[in-house]
Order: sequence, then structure tokens, then C-alpha cells
Amino acid sequence: DAKTTQPPSMDCAEGRAANLPCNHSTISGNEYVYWYRQIHSQGPQYIIHGLKNNETNEMASLIITEDRKSSTLILPHATLRDTAVYYCIVRVASGAQKLVFGQGTRLTINP
Amino acid sequence: NAGVTQTPKFRILKIGQSMTLQCTQDMNHNYMYWYRQDPGMGLKLIYYSVGAGITDKGEVPNGYNVSRSTTEDFPLRLELAAPSQTSVYFCASWGDRSYGYTFGSGTRLTVV
Repeated sequence: DAKTTQPPSMDCAEGRAANLPCNHSTISGNEYVYWYRQIHSQGPQYIIHGLKNNETNEMASLIITEDRKSSTLILPHATLRDTAVYYCIVRVASGAQKLVFGQGTRLTINP
Repeated sequence: NAGVTQTPKFRILKIGQSMTLQCTQDMNHNYMYWYRQDPGMGLKLIYYSVGAGITDKGEVPNGYNVSRSTTEDFPLRLELAAPSQTSVYFCASWGDRSYGYTFGSGTRLTVV
């Protein structure tokens, strides 16, 4: 599975959009981009995933560049409860789906 | 629909003791996983299973054993506990119709 690069930490003001970048320059054509988050010591929570088109759900939006070498997770109106570690993972969507977690980005939402 | 249930939530073991961490899911998922997370670090895969009767090693399998006799259950066995196994353990599952993994709430294990 391709490796990803994320900033170790970010801050965002409550109510603003939080934009979390991820670089995955070695992504293969059949690999998806997945985002998970981990709030405090809870189990990670799935947020969103995409292949090449932009995706949106009730939690977030995912913007993938045309060359697929990077992506951005957008939390449109961040709240204090969005403070968490966010993991960007790229992998194929078949077989035994082993997620490989990096260090992620620690996002802090400030009041 | 309870999702993924892990027991116990907390446990303190003495060096050399053994224990089983329980994990059960009620979503009929074929794939199940065990991860450990050390303080301030990301999750590392210990073992995984693609279905009942089939298991395979992950990144850090030493000191652990697993079994998968049913689709629902995927227990993790620690033999001869060591301080290096002090960690938070997460179980997860995934099914063909799932968007992503479903994780349990974790077991916090301390070996003293």
C-alpha cells in the first residue's frame, strides 16, 4: 500500500472550515484514499473515502487532485468535538483490507 | 446492532501471566483485525482474519495468538505477558458492503 504524508498537527477556530492535507504521490490506480479519525483514546472512526472523484457525506468532504497525488479532507464547520487525530490511508479496496496507520494529523479546534 | 464489542475494557496483568482479549461482532463481517496502539503512536496490526478458520500475521504478531472458530468471534491470546505488551488493543471488522472498518472501544492493558 502507498505511504502517505500528513502534517503532524494543525489548529482551526471553531465554526471555521478545517482543511487537512495528505500527500500520496505513489498511489496506484486501484488504490482508494480513506480518512479515519480517533477522538482521544476511542477506536478510530471511518469518515470518508474516494477513488478519484470528490466525495461528500454528512461528516466531511474529500477533494482529490486530478493526478491523485494528494487530497484534502474538509470539515466544513468545525466544532470542539472534531478535535482528534486524523489518519489518511491509501489502499486497494479488495481482498483482506489491512489498514496501515501512520502518525496522522492532530487537529485541535479552538474556541 | 452492537457493532464490535471488546472485553474487558481495562486489565492489569503481572509479568508472565496470560489472558484472552475478547472481540465479537454482530454484523456478519468476514474480515476481522487486532491492532495495538502504544502511547502517542499510530495503530499497528497484530493479526487479522479473512473468515472463520483463517488467520494471518500482521506487523507485530510476536507474543500473541489468535483463533477464528466463528464469524462473530476473534479472540486475542497473550501468553507470558511482558511489559512491552502494555498498550491499548483495538479489534475491528469489515464486510463487503461496508464503507470502512468498524472498531471496538478498545482494551487498555497494563503489564507490571
